[in-house]
Amino acid sequence: KAGVTQTPRYLIKTRGQQVTLSCSPISGHRSVSWYQQTPGQGLQFLFEYFSETQRNKGNFPGRFSGRQFSNSRSEMNVSTLELGDSALYLCASSPGGGETGELFFGEGSRLTVL
Amino acid sequence: AQSVTQPDIHITVSEGASLELRCNYSYGATPYLFWYVQSPGQGLQLLLKYFSGDTLVQGIKGFEAEFKRSQSSFNLRKPSVHWSDAAEYFCAVGEGSGGYSTLTFGKGTMLLVSP
Repeated sequence: KAGVTQTPRYLIKTRGQQVTLSCSPISGHRSVSWYQQTPGQGLQFLFEYFSETQRNKGNFPGRFSGRQFSNSRSEMNVSTLELGDSALYLCASSPGGGETGELFFGEGSRLTVL
Repeated sequence: AQSVTQPDIHITVSEGASLELRCNYSYGATPYLFWYVQSPGQGLQLLLKYFSGDTLVQGIKGFEAEFKRSQSSFNLRKPSVHWSDAAEYFCAVGEGSGGYSTLTFGKGTMLLVSP
């Protein structure tokens, strides 16, 4: 079974631009979560989607948004990029049916904002 | 709000020696606890998890962790470290539907293994 796939793996943007990151979950998984990882703040929860609905949201400004499609694939968007948005963005999937379990993480998309 | 503290930023252990990584959590209800490992350039891999029951849980790669409610701790242990264990380790507490929808992570402990 293929793992969680994130694209692109690396990207460079300039301040003020916007970026869209994509995540394909493990087949059959309906929940997709996004996390931001930086050296200073560590791993921080962005949001979680289940069956195309945002179920949880972290404490990030409105410039960070996401969505989930009917095939469970998810995208996150960051508008008006700031230098501080440089980070590794990790996507994780899980079955999402309410059972306890683990999150399966992708390798991440490393965003550099210049 | 829940929080996780990993007091050691870096730990160096000799290959073959035992390892204990510390984790303390703050959470009002019964916590769902996890240990993840991250190798350079990689995502996070689950080592083990605790939801309920036996307070000593076994994980992959020979790791184990013990949940101690009285100390709000969930320390990770391994009896004999291998060079391939060098990585960053994250403790996390979960909440939400099923206990895992949202994870709060500690800042991580970087494990260095000396020959």
